[in-house]
Amino acid sequence: DAGVIQSPRHEVTEMGQEVTLRCKPISGHNSLFWYRQTMMRGLELLIYFNNNVPIDDSGMPEDRFSAKMPNASFSTLKIQPSEPRDSAVYFCASSRDRGLTEAFFGQGTRLTVV
Amino acid sequence: GENVEQHPSTLSVQEGDSAVIKCTYSDSASNYFPWYKQELGKRPQLIIDIRSNVGEKKDQRIAVTLNKTAKHFSLHITETQPEDSAVYFCAASIGSGKLQFGAGTQVVVTP
Repeated sequence: DAGVIQSPRHEVTEMGQEVTLRCKPISGHNSLFWYRQTMMRGLELLIYFNNNVPIDDSGMPEDRFSAKMPNASFSTLKIQPSEPRDSAVYFCASSRDRGLTEAFFGQGTRLTVV
Repeated sequence: GENVEQHPSTLSVQEGDSAVIKCTYSDSASNYFPWYKQELGKRPQLIIDIRSNVGEKKDQRIAVTLNKTAKHFSLHITETQPEDSAVYFCAASIGSGKLQFGAGTQVVVTP
């Protein structure tokens, strides 16, 4: 298995633009997580899905952030409009069971909003 | 919700010495406690985990202990090597799917 695949690896965009981050979880995993990592706030859980259904989105910082999981093999995290304070590394992770087994992380997307 | 505190934030050890990182959690319903290692510029990767029905678990030079009564768990690395230098994160989950991470510990192993 190729592991969790995220794209793009790096994204530089101008303030106000829409940004879409993509994630392909490991096949057979039924939970998917989106995390944001910054020096100031560490690893923050933004949202997680179980069986493609959003379970907890309390970590989504603002209405500018939205996430979807249209099927078991694909998820997106969208920021519209983007702001400089959104600059961070965004990780997608998947696990076989709801928080009781190892979460495998993708390589992350480094987002820079200028 | 669950709150996980991790100490120390930085830890410098001489090669060959032991390193200990401690975490406390707030939700007594938490039942899964993984530890992740993140090297610079890389993704977090699981190094060891423990469930609430176990008090201690060991894997070569790494061990984790759990005290459910006190709601704290610790990571022990023995005979540290330069390749152990990284940021280590503890986490706790109540099984709902929400994995709450500590703030991380930067471990530096000096030769």
